[in-house]
Amino acid sequence: GENVEQHPSTLSVQEGDSAVIKCTYSDSASNYFPWYKQELGKRPQLIIDIRSNVGEKKDQRIAVTLNKTAKHFSLHITETQPEDSAVYFCAARGNTGNQFYFGTGTSLTVIP
Amino acid sequence: ETGVTQTPRHLVMGMTNKKSLKCEQHLGHNAMYWYKQSAKKPLELMFVYNFKEQTENNSVPSRFSPECPNSSHLFLHLHTLQPEDSALYLCASSQDGPWQGLWEQYFGPGTRLTVT
Repeated sequence: GENVEQHPSTLSVQEGDSAVIKCTYSDSASNYFPWYKQELGKRPQLIIDIRSNVGEKKDQRIAVTLNKTAKHFSLHITETQPEDSAVYFCAARGNTGNQFYFGTGTSLTVIP
Repeated sequence: ETGVTQTPRHLVMGMTNKKSLKCEQHLGHNAMYWYKQSAKKPLELMFVYNFKEQTENNSVPSRFSPECPNSSHLFLHLHTLQPEDSALYLCASSQDGPWQGLWEQYFGPGTRLTVT
């Protein structure tokens, strides 16, 4: 099955700086890669996603890049704000069925 | 209420109890999921239902029994649980389909389960 690895597990940045979180996956057939933000005590919420036919997608301060050859994808947050502090999860959807495989999460802290 | 709802939000049960978790989605989706979220571990997919049919069962112990009476409701029946089953149980839904499908998963708020 698919194996998703996520790094780093914790990340602290100064407000206004950029944050980058990286994930790798093992199954080249995976075709959809969402990123979720989970604030303390709240449900995971989709913040951005990318499909395997696209290399990059951007939504305001958030962007995701996908390198299918290397089988890795990254989340980029620019101009970070304290409200960006949360745990971020990456995931990969298998090509068969509705299997979603999640990374172990990155706890992001934005220091004012 | 809109989105995905779950009840109860908190549950404490003994190892000999039987309880059920309920999930309801108001998004018109055709796929529903149960996940287990434990500290320091990735979200673990437990069950997937697509058009009310179970399509995935990731080697989950039989003390967890899912039920999907229709595409809007999903239950997780619990019996003779162990303390290590204490976790946050999240329900999610999506609109499954081929390439044009809306694969985004929408999560419920979760049920915080404590087994004593």
